[in-house]
Amino acid sequence: RKEVEQDPGPFNVPEGATVAFNCTYSNSASQSFFWYRQDCRKEPKLLMSVYSSGNEDGRFTAQLNRASQYISLLIRDSKLSDSATYLCVVNPSGSSASKIIFGSGTRLSIRP
Amino acid sequence: EAGVAQSPRYKIIEKRQSVAFWCNPISGHATLYWYQQILGQGPKLLIQFQNNGVVDDSQLPKDRFSAERLKGVDSTLKIQPAKLEDSAVYLCASSSGGSYNEQFFGPGTRLTVL
Repeated sequence: RKEVEQDPGPFNVPEGATVAFNCTYSNSASQSFFWYRQDCRKEPKLLMSVYSSGNEDGRFTAQLNRASQYISLLIRDSKLSDSATYLCVVNPSGSSASKIIFGSGTRLSIRP
Repeated sequence: EAGVAQSPRYKIIEKRQSVAFWCNPISGHATLYWYQQILGQGPKLLIQFQNNGVVDDSQLPKDRFSAERLKGVDSTLKIQPAKLEDSAVYLCASSSGGSYNEQFFGPGTRLTVL
């Protein structure tokens, strides 16, 4: 089993739709979690951190489910500009001396 | 604030040749990362520096890859000799602290090995 797994997609949804992705992780002791966004042929950029209590930033909501070992990202009222690859990032121990693991990414395409 | 700088942006070499990439992190960032991103995959951490010390290089193919961060600022990543499977984008990132801190990525170096 991969340490961090994501559905590669692509997810192709109409503008205005709500879309959700999950990311599963294998190390139950993992401490910190993030969602990064990567546009085509660009570098990844932080979208949001994922806190135990869940967090929301405008149209984006991130949740952590420790019991089932997954994190999720929900995008409401999707825009054309949301088209990108969304990378799940897990730090197994939460310390600066640990190996940070990126998932392979989920591709999202928003159609007009 | 200036971002993470990388050069060159593109490099084409033949297998068995050598190549070096350079990274200048955001000023004041103590932690520097080198990632390899193969097309269709997520970035894979090659090496992580904290100032000029190596924190993690467990996924660095040390028979051909080397990296250094002299004086705890700029860093270079070298491949010698290159193989076809090294074709990828090499991303440099920096952060101001530990793993809870945001990583800022440079634009990457796209390497093609023929």
